[in-house]
Amino acid sequence: KQEVTQIPAALSVPEGENLVLNCSFTDSAIYNLQWFRQDPGKGLTSLLLIQSSQREQTSGRLNASLDKSSGRSTLYIAASQPGDSATYLCATSPGVSWGKLQFGAGTQVVVTP
Amino acid sequence: GAVVSQHPSWVICKSGTSVKIECRSLDFQATTMFWYRQFPKQSLMLMATSNEGSKATYEQGVEKDKFLINHASLTLSTLTVTSAHPEDSSFYICSAFKGGSSTDTQYFGPGTRLTVL
Repeated sequence: KQEVTQIPAALSVPEGENLVLNCSFTDSAIYNLQWFRQDPGKGLTSLLLIQSSQREQTSGRLNASLDKSSGRSTLYIAASQPGDSATYLCATSPGVSWGKLQFGAGTQVVVTP
Repeated sequence: GAVVSQHPSWVICKSGTSVKIECRSLDFQATTMFWYRQFPKQSLMLMATSNEGSKATYEQGVEKDKFLINHASLTLSTLTVTSAHPEDSSFYICSAFKGGSSTDTQYFGPGTRLTVL
């Protein structure tokens, strides 16, 4: 059974610092990995999707890397802003049933002005 | 863009009553929708997969007779929590696939906060 772990559980940084969020998974047979953002009491917004054959994806200030062999993904957010404050979730999609996402518990990020 | 809505956004009910939550894809057709549950400070847990025109597939440990799912059309799936109890209080989130490709992503609804008294 796939287990997805995110460390740290919470993170507080001053505005302007770079953020590094970690995600690890136990089963490397994934179809893809996604990073989501969740604001308090709200649904999820997809940030980046990395296919199993890819090493990284970039969107603006966000960059996500994927190392399947070691079961790790890292989300980098450059020059953090207070608006980046949210919970960030990573989720893997299994090879057979690619629609069923396995989520980590998330990293709660606070960016202070 | 692809928008998924949920109704209601929050609901409070008495123990023993039933509650229906709607999930709609507003600007696209979704043959597959998913229902998740999220407890405070915990991860989203997949409850079931809802396919239009067929019975839902439930994850292990999820009571299908308690959580009734109906995918009546390509834009609507409903989750009914029957005989709700306080332990069913949670944040319920649905998602929908816009296409059917493995490169597509799921689009999530804003969630429904259920509180059972």
